[in-house]
Amino acid sequence: SQQGEEDPQALSIQEGENATMNCSYKTSINNLQWYRQNSGRGLVHLILIRSNEREKHSGRLRVTLDTSKKSSSLLITASRAADTASYFCATDEETSGSRLTFGEGTQLTVNP
Amino acid sequence: ETGVTQTPRHLVMGMTNKKSLKCEQHLGHNAMYWYKQSAKKPLELMFVYNFKEQTENNSVPSRFSPECPNSSHLFLHLHTLQPEDSALYLCASYGAPLYGYTFGSGTRLTVV
Repeated sequence: SQQGEEDPQALSIQEGENATMNCSYKTSINNLQWYRQNSGRGLVHLILIRSNEREKHSGRLRVTLDTSKKSSSLLITASRAADTASYFCATDEETSGSRLTFGEGTQLTVNP
Repeated sequence: ETGVTQTPRHLVMGMTNKKSLKCEQHLGHNAMYWYKQSAKKPLELMFVYNFKEQTENNSVPSRFSPECPNSSHLFLHLHTLQPEDSALYLCASYGAPLYGYTFGSGTRLTVV
């Protein structure tokens, strides 16, 4: 299976609710990153968390990292319809240099 | 605009055609990447360039030929493609540790 597997594959919520997406990976990493992609467009970098960090915040985003479980979560609080997009985690593996490995993504739909 | 510009945005080509995809960045980044995104699959890394030198070819068929004439420009030359090569081709650049990749908006390629 893939490095950087997201769970769930799809998530549908109402505006104002929180959305949580999870990511699991297999190898040792330098950092883990989350990206967002609107339909058919390029990916936009959201947040990076280093392997020695456990939690990071950016606006309505909260990312956690548990290196013992090789997992990360992305929480979007007070979601808006404009948050509808696909969200990908990507790992910068220790042995790969500056090369990212992406998961399959979570499709988030926020209903007005 | 993210700072990484890809042209064309859409391309339809026959299996016997030759075409090129272009990527340009003026962010001062030294690493550039080509990724392929097919439906229901994770992003697949194709090629990596660091300081204009190709540092990774991820077992990509020879019908895809990259070119990096300088650190601001990256091309992907296409010839005798197959219908299964239809996908979104994304270019990304990377310049500083602990920052994410900057992606272009992609070229939607359809091979007929």
